[in-house]
Parts: sequence; structure tokens; C-alpha cells
Amino acid sequence: GENVEQHPSTLSVQEGDSAVIKCTYSDSASNYFPWYKQELGKRPQLIIDIRSNVGEKKDQRIAVTLNKTAKHFSLHITETQPEDSAVYFCARWAGTALIFGKGTTLSVSS
Amino acid sequence: DTGVSQDPRHKITKRGQNVTFRCDPISEHNRLYWYRQTLGQGPEFLTYFQNEAQLEKSRLLSDRFSAERPKGSFSTLEIQRTEQGDSAMYLCASSFLGGGNYGYTFGSGTRLTVV
Repeated sequence: GENVEQHPSTLSVQEGDSAVIKCTYSDSASNYFPWYKQELGKRPQLIIDIRSNVGEKKDQRIAVTLNKTAKHFSLHITETQPEDSAVYFCARWAGTALIFGKGTTLSVSS
Repeated sequence: DTGVSQDPRHKITKRGQNVTFRCDPISEHNRLYWYRQTLGQGPEFLTYFQNEAQLEKSRLLSDRFSAERPKGSFSTLEIQRTEQGDSAMYLCASSFLGGGNYGYTFGSGTRLTVV
């Protein structure tokens, strides 16, 4: 019930390729789904979020899609660059606080 | 006010000692959260405050842990009789809950090492 499952745990791509990270949840009451990027030794930073009344949201090279019926949401990064290398966390709003996935380590090689 | 501040950045302590961490949230934020993050894991919820009231505590927060936010501004997290399993990054986050906004701003964290 409470956890957010995130896959894959590691992802390696070539510069310019696309990267997709997927998260699943089981609580149908969840209505807010953010994505955070954490570079090595730094704080997690919000990069994009989506609410349950929207199916897709885009911000330049990143996009998030939400399928409420199937209870999954995904982060899409296009034209990846070496500076996209980081750990990415999905999360869901659980009514009082955010519950985070275990993270995906994205490595972009040039 | 440029963000959420946490102090200290690093703390090394001997097992059995008490430690206290401080978090200064963004001033207009009414919610303050504490999370713990271990290597290779996502942040795990510990507790949160709305203004000065502590409204929820995770089962991860054993009775050796106590958090306060006395005037609804800064918060402290104290760990008594530290154990090696307490070694982790302790993250503070703040938010303004209102108008459908749930997003957090995280601090840089306090890295605790118990030896």
C-alpha cells in the first residue's frame, strides 16, 4: 500500500539518447506525483511534478506522464546530456507527506 | 532567505552519545519535514510539523528520537544514545501547504556517522 516502486535502479545511456524511469503505486487516493533530482553530495531538487487531473506535463527536455487507472507514472528525459547524470526519485503525496521511491541512478556518457 | 538551512553539515559521534541537528526552513513555509536517507535509498519520512504542532511520526522514529519546532520556525531533531544504525543523512524539508501545493524544498542535510 504505502510504497512507491521505482524501476530501473540504474540506467546508462549515451548522450543524446532518451531515458525513461517508471514508478508504480497502489493507493488510488494519491493525487500529486513529483520527481526529484539529486546530484552527488547535494540536496534533492524538484524538477517536475504532475497532479492527478493531468495526464502529461512537459518542461523542455523533461516530461512526466501519469496513468491513474494503471497507477503508474513515468519520467522521460530526451536528448540526454552528461549533466543529467544523477539519482532521480519519484514520489507520491500520501495525504500528509511525500513517500519516495528508492531512486534511479542515471549515467549519461559522452 | 535563500532556502532551507541545516546545521551541522556533518557530525561524527561515538555510539551512545546524544546528537542534535537544527533546521531553518523557508520563513513563509508552514510545514517542516524530517527525512532520513541511507546510501542507495530514497528519503524515508520521519515526522512533520505544521507550524509548531508535530502532527505525524513514522514508526521509524523510535523513542530515542525527538523533534521540536518550538515557535513554528526552526526545528531540532535529537537522537539519544546513538547507535551505528543511526548513521545516515538527515534531511529537512519545508513547504507551504495551501492552494493544492505539495512541493518540498529540501535542505542540504546533516550527515551523521556513528562510530
